[in-house]
Amino acid sequence: DSGVTQTPKHLITATGQRVTLRCSPRSGDLSVYWYQQSLDQGLQFLIQYYNGEERAKGNILERFSAQQFPDLHSELNLSSLELGDSALYFCASSVDRLATQYFGPGTRLLVL
Amino acid sequence: EDKVVQSPLSLVVHEGDTVTLNCSYEVTNFRSLLWYKQEKKAPTFLFMLTSSGIEKKSGRLSSILDKKELFSILNITATQTGDSAVYLCAVEGNFGNEKLTFGTGTRLTIIP
Repeated sequence: DSGVTQTPKHLITATGQRVTLRCSPRSGDLSVYWYQQSLDQGLQFLIQYYNGEERAKGNILERFSAQQFPDLHSELNLSSLELGDSALYFCASSVDRLATQYFGPGTRLLVL
Repeated sequence: EDKVVQSPLSLVVHEGDTVTLNCSYEVTNFRSLLWYKQEKKAPTFLFMLTSSGIEKKSGRLSSILDKKELFSILNITATQTGDSAVYLCAVEGNFGNEKLTFGTGTRLTIIP
C-alpha cells in the first residue's frame, strides 16, 4: 500500500458524459501527478500539480482538466467522454517536485 | 520529445535463471531514471538512478545507469515466479521538464 488513495475504483459511463476522479496523496506529499494507462498507449503522463499550482503538462486532452485543492487532494475531470478514453487512470504523489513518485491503485474507467 | 525504449518486449525464462532488462532513453535535462514493477495493479517503485556507473541493489535486483551511452539495465538473479510482472523504465526531466516519460515495458514471465 503506497499511501495514495484514489476513488472510485471502477467507473462505467456512456459516451458524451463527464466524470471526476479523485486522488488523495500520501501524508506530507505536495506533488500530485496524473497518468493514463491504456492497452495500446502504455503509461502516459497527463499533468502534475505542486502545492496547488500546475507544474507540468503532458499529453492531456483539452476535454480533460485537473486541479489540486488547498488540502492537497486532486481531481481529474474528464468530459465529453469517448470510447478511447477507456483506460486505467493513476494518480501518484511525491514529497516535492523532484522526488520519487508513489502510485495509487488507479481508477478503471470504461466508456460504453 | 523525450523517449524511452525498453527491450526485450517480452521474456520467458525458467525459475532460477538470471535476466537482464534494457532501457535506452532520450530526455531533455535528465534528472533521473526510475524502474518500476507492475503486476496487476499500480506500478511499484524499485530504483531511482541519478548518477552514472553507480549500482543500486536490493536483494536479487540490481540496476546500473550509463549516462554517457543513455541506457540502464535491470538485473534479476535467481528469478522466482513472484518476479513475473511488467517492468517499466521511466526518465524524469529537470528544470521545466519535470515529468516522467515511460517506456512500454518488458513483460517478464517466470516458469516454475
